[in-house]
Amino acid sequence: DAKTTQPPSMDCAEGRAANLPCNHSTISGNEYVYWYRQIHSQGPQYIIHGLKNNETNEMASLIITEDRKSSTLILPHATLRDTAVYYCIALNTGANSKLTFGKGITLSVRP
Amino acid sequence: GAVVSQHPSRVICKSGTSVKIECRSLDFQATTMFWYRQFPKQSLMLMATSNEGSKATYEQGVEKDKFLINHASLTLSTLTVTSAHPEDSSFYICSASRGAEAFFGQGTRLTVV
Repeated sequence: DAKTTQPPSMDCAEGRAANLPCNHSTISGNEYVYWYRQIHSQGPQYIIHGLKNNETNEMASLIITEDRKSSTLILPHATLRDTAVYYCIALNTGANSKLTFGKGITLSVRP
Repeated sequence: GAVVSQHPSRVICKSGTSVKIECRSLDFQATTMFWYRQFPKQSLMLMATSNEGSKATYEQGVEKDKFLINHASLTLSTLTVTSAHPEDSSFYICSASRGAEAFFGQGTRLTVV
């Protein structure tokens, strides 16, 4: 699976949008972009995934560039509970694909 | 949504003893589950893939005789840390996939004293 690169940390104000970037310049055509997050001392939580088109669900939006070399996860109205480590993962979703985690980006939402 | 449950959430054991951690998929069947380990301030490290009805597949550097994995049914995988030592103290997390989405357990905090 392709390597992803994320900044180590960022912060945003509560109520504002949090835009989390991810680079995946070596992503292949059949690899999806997945986002998970891990709140301290809990198991990771699925957020969203996409292949080419932008995606939106009740948690977030995923914007993937046309060349698919980078993407942005958008939390439209960040709350203090969104403080977590966010992982961007490129994954070929074949049978029993293994999720491997990089260092992620630590998002701190400030009051 | 689908739920994966781990038990216990926290365990303290004496050095040299063995500890079993259970991972259950509560509302779906999982032929494959995954076990991860996470040390403080580090990312999750994949330890092994648990396959229902067959042997687990271990990642490089993970001792299969120390971390025994049993996947006896479509909803249960167990990880046994044998002859635990203080360096095995860590946060152990399991996951199971349903379709394109992976679901994670709450994690088990193991402390070996």
